[in-house]
Amino acid sequence: EVQLVESGGVVVQPGGSLRLSCAASGFTFDDYAMHWVRQAPGKGLEWVSLISWDGGNTYYADSVKGRFTISRDNNKNSLYLQMNSLRAEDTAFYYCAKDGVVGPSGWVDYWGQGTLVTVSS
Amino acid sequence: DIVMTQSPDSLAVSLGERATINCKSSQSILHSSNNKDYLAWYQQKPGQPPNLLIYWASTRQSGVPDRFSGSGSGTDFTLTISSLQAEDVAVYYCLQYYSTPYTFGQGTNLEIK
Repeated sequence: EVQLVESGGVVVQPGGSLRLSCAASGFTFDDYAMHWVRQAPGKGLEWVSLISWDGGNTYYADSVKGRFTISRDNNKNSLYLQMNSLRAEDTAFYYCAKDGVVGPSGWVDYWGQGTLVTVSS
Repeated sequence: DIVMTQSPDSLAVSLGERATINCKSSQSILHSSNNKDYLAWYQQKPGQPPNLLIYWASTRQSGVPDRFSGSGSGTDFTLTISSLQAEDVAVYYCLQYYSTPYTFGQGTNLEIK
């Protein structure tokens, strides 16, 4: 059974930094690209970032480019999101999500339960 | 960036009736190399993460009831629930994965009439 467990969500001040983690199990982690997707409370889904199976390629939404960094450790079956220069509009549930195909990225097929990041003074 | 626009924003359908949700992309998401449309559909119930229903525009994910179906190609897509059940009350989203940044539709809130 695929399991994705996010951690690291807290209340942080504007301009601050935070690192989210996602522990993956139940599948061969280094076969799949991984994603972060966020959802502001009561709002819709926003794709944030994608990392290839080997970490060699990363992609970002324009809203976070230059501030967020996605990374992975295939030895630890873990995904990360380093978030810098946080803004109020970054307040959201952050979901770790697994890609649906081996190799090149495709759709998202499994999601974690999410971790809440609140940016507020 | 590809913009995904869903319609309607909200929909009320009687139990047992058909529900239809539309999704339109600002450019074609049909890839010529494999003739596949890079479109997925998700269902999200309150307090839960999204659940994958459909990928490649019309391929049902394993375990998804066959009352859910996807259709369309190019820029216009449809999610159909053939006979609405009470447990189908949720928000539905389309997603294009043709190019980064991936983009979701704004969501359609489906309720019982």
